[in-house]
Amino acid sequence: EAQVTQNPRYLITVTGKKLTVTCSQNMNHEYMSWYRQDPGLGLRQIYYSMNVEVTDKGDVPEGYKVSRKEKRNFPLILESPSPNQTSLYFCASSLGTEFLQETQYFGPGTRLLVL
Amino acid sequence: QKEVEQDPGPLSVPEGAIVSLNCTYSNSAFQYFMWYRQYSRKGPELLMYTYSSGNKEDGRFTAQVDKSSKYISLFIRDSQPSDSATYLCAITSGSARQLTFGSGTQLTVLP
Repeated sequence: EAQVTQNPRYLITVTGKKLTVTCSQNMNHEYMSWYRQDPGLGLRQIYYSMNVEVTDKGDVPEGYKVSRKEKRNFPLILESPSPNQTSLYFCASSLGTEFLQETQYFGPGTRLLVL
Repeated sequence: QKEVEQDPGPLSVPEGAIVSLNCTYSNSAFQYFMWYRQYSRKGPELLMYTYSSGNKEDGRFTAQVDKSSKYISLFIRDSQPSDSATYLCAITSGSARQLTFGSGTQLTVLP
């Protein structure tokens, strides 16, 4: 089954404790992206990757890191989480980035609480 | 001012009603318009997309774009309880990597 998977689905952590949220897709997609979703603010893009070893900042990259060493994986790293990073996180992937080849498939989400 | 404004609702309608969901945007460079549906505890899924002013139909769903007013709408005919979800508009100037999302409208269709 074609899908985007994220782990963990739920995470409670404390301020400053490094964490990684994994994202994997099995569709051989070139483009992958991370979003956070907050009430009243909708989905905001954190980072995206056009292909292996190619990443770029989205709208809200502060406090996050990403890497794209393999085509299928795009982990999101919080080196020193803070309470304002408490949010619902989505990974997404698409075949490409040009319109009409770009249907983005979203993962199930990771709900993060930083105490 | 946000680039994309969307009434968050919540919106509650009886089964069979016609539902109208709307977004306004400020940047005239936006050319492509999408609607995503997000069920509770799930990721968003693409429902419809369009790139021109006018209407586009897909079954019970119609997407409408008015570029002169910078206004987009999604109409749901004969709404069903299974349509209960949050609907997000998403707009881009030309590349899916730069999608700007509305905040979403929560819809409940009552049986």
